Amino acid sequence: GENVEQHPSTLSVQEGDSAVIKCTYSDSASNYFPWYKQELGKRPQLIIDIRSNVGEKKDQRIAVTLNKTAKHFSLHITETQPEDSAVYFCAATPTSYDKVIFGPGTSLSVIP
Amino acid sequence: DAGVTQSPTHLIKTRGQHVTLRCSPISGHKSVSWYQQVLGQGPQFIFQYYEKEERGRGNFPDRFSARQFPNYSSELNVNALLLGDSALYLCASSLDPPSTDTQYFGPGTRLTVL
Repeated sequence: GENVEQHPSTLSVQEGDSAVIKCTYSDSASNYFPWYKQELGKRPQLIIDIRSNVGEKKDQRIAVTLNKTAKHFSLHITETQPEDSAVYFCAATPTSYDKVIFGPGTSLSVIP
Repeated sequence: DAGVTQSPTHLIKTRGQHVTLRCSPISGHKSVSWYQQVLGQGPQFIFQYYEKEERGRGNFPDRFSARQFPNYSSELNVNALLLGDSALYLCASSLDPPSTDTQYFGPGTRLTVL
């Protein structure tokens, strides 16, 4: 079945440094890849997404890259701030099914 | 503009009981999806509805069922509750199915089964 793997499971960086989270997906028909940020006790919030016809997308300090051949995509956060501390989930949407498959999450800690 | 709303916020049930969770999508959104999120894990897909029809189903037992109403709100029903059903249940809505459109999550319903 469909599967999304995510690494690392935990990540600790110094404020101002960059953070990179990587995901791989199994269904080659997947065409939509959102990233969500979830703070403790709150709902997942979409932070950026990318579709399969685009290789890279950037929004201020956040960027996502997609390699469809290798079936992996990555989240890049530059100039990290303490408020970036949260759990980040990647996800993939197979076109053949109307569902979103989430990765297991990465707990990011930004140390002031 | 109101976001996705869910009710109740918290719920405590005992094993064997059933529960109904409710979700109201963002105005104009026709697609609703349900997810189960166990503490420390990513959301697990349960159901997706679009225009009142089931369009997707995850790997959950038949004890789980859902429906979408003409106003696009949705209910998730769980029968014969087990301890392992304790989780945060999230509803997400989108204009079109999530394969083509961005989903926005509600605050969730925290279900505790004793």
